[in-house]
Amino acid sequence: GQSLEQPSEVTAVEGAIVQINCTYQTSGFYGLSWYQQHDGGAPTFLSYNALDGLEETGRFSSFLSRSDSYGYLLLQELQMKDSASYFCAVRGSGNTPLVFGKGTRLSVIA
Amino acid sequence: DSGVTQTPKHLITATGQRVTLRCSPRSGDLSVYWYQQSLDQGLQFLIQYYNGEERAKGNILERFSAQQFPDLHSELNLSSLELGDSALYFCASRGDYNSPLHFGNGTRLTVT
Repeated sequence: GQSLEQPSEVTAVEGAIVQINCTYQTSGFYGLSWYQQHDGGAPTFLSYNALDGLEETGRFSSFLSRSDSYGYLLLQELQMKDSASYFCAVRGSGNTPLVFGKGTRLSVIA
Repeated sequence: DSGVTQTPKHLITATGQRVTLRCSPRSGDLSVYWYQQSLDQGLQFLIQYYNGEERAKGNILERFSAQQFPDLHSELNLSSLELGDSALYFCASRGDYNSPLHFGNGTRLTVT
């Protein structure tokens, strides 16, 4: 099976940089994904790492180290609208469902 | 707008009752997934369908069942409802294996 660990809460100041870590245990590995969910809203896809290294998409970047079973989501130039829950997720193989971590609630303060 | 449609948005019912949640996937997506999200919990995978066939089962209770119809819409049936079944139920769809999941806006179920 799969299990993921990520911090439950993070608070950061507007304009700052925050890193949300995720460690995972999985039998088989088919990439690490990140999703954002605002209160009362649907999860939305942010990024996907299949290989080691950094993927950048605008203010958001995601990193993966398969040897360490570790990844992180980096949010730069934080804005108030980034206040949301962030979930990491893994799949054991291509056709298996995504297993999500419990999520990290990010609060951006002025 | 993800293109995934879930109805109803809200559902309030009593313990012991049965409800049906409906999901229409994005146009062209053959895979449908159901997830449950309880308060302060992550997304718990329930069940997956692909082109009408069940593909994977997660932590789905025996009181719960689902199906995917020939037009690819899916229904999640919850019966003998208990207070602990109160949660947000999300449906998601995706195209091929390398595509991300696209989630609907969810159905908020309240069991009283």
